[in-house]
Amino acid sequence: DAKTTQPPSMDCAEGRAANLPCNHSTISGNEYVYWYRQIHSQGPQYIIHGLKNNETNEMASLIITEDRKSSTLILPHATLRDTAVYYCIVTLSTGFQKLVFGTGTRLLVSP
Amino acid sequence: GAVVSQHPSWVICKSGTSVKIECRSLDFQATTMFWYRQFPKQSLMLMATSNEGSKATYEQGVEKDKFLINHASLTLSTLTVTSAHPEDSSFYICSARDPGQATNQPQHFGDGTRLSIL
Repeated sequence: DAKTTQPPSMDCAEGRAANLPCNHSTISGNEYVYWYRQIHSQGPQYIIHGLKNNETNEMASLIITEDRKSSTLILPHATLRDTAVYYCIVTLSTGFQKLVFGTGTRLLVSP
Repeated sequence: GAVVSQHPSWVICKSGTSVKIECRSLDFQATTMFWYRQFPKQSLMLMATSNEGSKATYEQGVEKDKFLINHASLTLSTLTVTSAHPEDSSFYICSARDPGQATNQPQHFGDGTRLSIL
């Protein structure tokens, strides 16, 4: 599976958009980009995933560059409850879909 | 959506005892489940892949005799930490994916089990 690179930490003011970047320059054509987050002392929570098109759901938007070498997770109106570690994972969608977690980005949303 | 439940959520026990953690898929059947371990301030590390009706596949460096995995039904996988010692204290998390959905659908995680060995 392709490796990903994320900034270790980011800050965001409550109510503002949080834009979390992820580099995955070695991604292959059939690998998806998945985003999960982990709030302290809980299991990871699925946020969104995509292959090459931009995606949006009730939680967030995912912007994937045309060359697919990077992506950005957007939380449009961050709240204090969005404070968490965000993981960007690239993996094949078929087979066992083994997830390899990197160190993620620790997002701190402040009042 | 798919729900994965873990039990217990936390457990404290004496060194040398064995501890069993359960992972259940509540609204779907999971032929494959995954077990992760997470130490404080670290990321999740995949321990093993649990396969219904067959032996688990362990990641490199994970002792299969130490961490026994049983996946006897399509909705239940168990992880038993045998002869637990303080260094086994960690946060254990399981995940599963609903195979009935499209192949690109995500895995869903349990809320984890915090294990403390005294």
